[in-house]
Amino acid sequence: QQQVKQSPQSLIVQKGGIPIINCAYENTAFDYFPWYQQFPGKGPALLIAIRPDVSEKKEGRFTISFNKSAKQFSLHIMDSQPGDSATYFCAASNNNQGGKLIFGQGTELSVKP
Amino acid sequence: KAGVTQTPRYLIKTRGQQVTLSCSPISGHRSVSWYQQTPGQGLQFLFEYFSETQRNKGNFPGRFSGRQFSNSRSEMNVSTLELGDSALYLCASSYGGGNQPQHFGDGTRLSIL
Repeated sequence: QQQVKQSPQSLIVQKGGIPIINCAYENTAFDYFPWYQQFPGKGPALLIAIRPDVSEKKEGRFTISFNKSAKQFSLHIMDSQPGDSATYFCAASNNNQGGKLIFGQGTELSVKP
Repeated sequence: KAGVTQTPRYLIKTRGQQVTLSCSPISGHRSVSWYQQTPGQGLQFLFEYFSETQRNKGNFPGRFSGRQFSNSRSEMNVSTLELGDSALYLCASSYGGGNQPQHFGDGTRLSIL
């Protein structure tokens, strides 16, 4: 019940395309859903986060869509660029469990020029 | 503002040894969480410290321990190292823990021979 399932495992898109990464969770106590971007040799960097009282959040080219009834959320990257090539992780946490983030398995995104 | 700093960046140890990793959080952040990242298991939560107290703990053996100092800096210790402890160890800090945004350092790469 603590798992977060992420798909796909890898994704290849052309420059300008809109990659979509999906995550699903079981624990309805989760109340915070961040997305992280990780480049090789670096730690994960916080991209954008959403709470379950909102169905969509946009920051720059990154958009999170959240479906509370389906217990699913997804990341969309608009006008993707080769520099977006990285591994993306979704995560979830419950405020009552302090800073414990439960991560998805990651999606390796490659954006071709 | 300086980011999360982890030292050392790389470590090579042999089985049976112990190791101490260090993390300096972002100035003003009082919560520090530790994660283990491996290709097989992904990102897994180890523990979280807030105001020098362990507030949450993941499912790792007692060989993994940590502490936090009054200046919020944190250390993680692994005793009796095993081959399976080879991983990237990441530290993340946040202002107050809970569902506050967590910011990661670039990690310590630990290799066990």
